[in-house]
Amino acid sequence: SQQGEEDPQALSIQEGENATMNCSYKTSINNLQWYRQNSGRGLVHLILIRSNEREKHSGRLRVTLDTSKKSSSLLITASRAADTASYFCALSYNTDKLIFGTGTRLQVFP
Amino acid sequence: DAGVIQSPRHEVTEMGQEVTLRCKPISGHNSLFWYRQTMMRGLELLIYFNNNVPIDDSGMPEDRFSAKMPNASFSTLKIQPSEPRDSAVYFCASRREAHEAFFGQGTRLTVV
Repeated sequence: SQQGEEDPQALSIQEGENATMNCSYKTSINNLQWYRQNSGRGLVHLILIRSNEREKHSGRLRVTLDTSKKSSSLLITASRAADTASYFCALSYNTDKLIFGTGTRLQVFP
Repeated sequence: DAGVIQSPRHEVTEMGQEVTLRCKPISGHNSLFWYRQTMMRGLELLIYFNNNVPIDDSGMPEDRFSAKMPNASFSTLKIQPSEPRDSAVYFCASRREAHEAFFGQGTRLTVV
């Protein structure tokens, strides 16, 4: 399967805590992207990491990629209630195909 | 740019009717994707186009579904005849090669 598998499926934390989500995949990728979806809305791009990169930062977001283990993680530091959403990894292959993972539902309690 | 524009936002139709969903991608983007999202199956890639040419339609569930991209600024996804199990949110997305994708707000389809 070309789809990424994310864990955990759901995560509940308190404001101020860090949230970590993981994405694993099976076949080689061109790049891996993370997206956020608020309930009832379209997906919004957060960060893209290429296969030759190991770590990227964007504000409170930190993404790592381990191509030997075929896995990526998204870390949200100092979480806020407004971070409550579903988070998806998306795998981009050489054909430009973009396949989304199963998603992690994050709930941040104030 | 106004982003990816989908219409209609909501569609309620009776089983057996034809449904047409529309998408206007961002100007300059050469790839366009149609996704379907349900609670049970998550976000499924139905079909994607590159430079207006369908590249992979392996995700299209059956012959009742068809998609076209007559030019770089317009695409349609058609379901004929529609069935209750087609009820879902359908998203269109576009991107430049190897860059991030931009999503429309989606069309919530209900088939009764």
